[in-house]
Amino acid sequence: KQEVTQIPAALSVPEGENLVLNCSFTDSAIYNLQWFRQDPGKGLTSLLLIQSSQREQTSGRLNASLDKSSGRSTLYIAASQPGDSATYLCALTGGGADGLTFGKGTHLIIQP
Amino acid sequence: DTAVSQTPKYLVTQMGNDKSIKCEQNLGHDTMYWYKQDSKKFLKIMFSYNNKELIINETVPNRFSPKSPDKAHLNLHINSLELGDSAVYFCASSQGSGGSKNIQYFGAGTRLSVL
Repeated sequence: KQEVTQIPAALSVPEGENLVLNCSFTDSAIYNLQWFRQDPGKGLTSLLLIQSSQREQTSGRLNASLDKSSGRSTLYIAASQPGDSATYLCALTGGGADGLTFGKGTHLIIQP
Repeated sequence: DTAVSQTPKYLVTQMGNDKSIKCEQNLGHDTMYWYKQDSKKFLKIMFSYNNKELIINETVPNRFSPKSPDKAHLNLHINSLELGDSAVYFCASSQGSGGSKNIQYFGAGTRLSVL
């Protein structure tokens, strides 16, 4: 059964820093990996999706990488801003109409 | 226009009652899902439907019954509500399976409180 772990559980950094959020998974037979952000009391916003055949995806200041062989993904946030403060969730799917298996998230605070 | 919409946003009810949460997507997607986020903020899949057919039914009490009248709607009916059902329920949809078609889009959630 797939298990997803996110480290750290919480992170607080000053504005402007570059940072890395980590996600590890136990079963490398994944189809897609998706990174989300969740703001307090809100739904989930999809940030990036990496297909199993891809190594990374970029959107603006965000870069996500995937290494299936080691069971790891990272989300790199460049030049962090207070508006980046949220919980970041890593989720995997095995394909088809499979639901996503989520990690417990990293709660990120960017200090002004 | 909201892509995935859920109603109601908040639901407060007594133990033992029956309640429904509605979900609609206007993205033309084939697959819809229900997730539960517990008090520790952990998200877990409950059900997935593809073209109105049940694909996944995780270990969920049979008091929970999803109903999909058409591809754009997936409603969640809960019988005999219990205290432990208190959570935030999220609906999601995706275009289908295969590569980027599996990107899932989430609704804003329904916060259910059982008293």
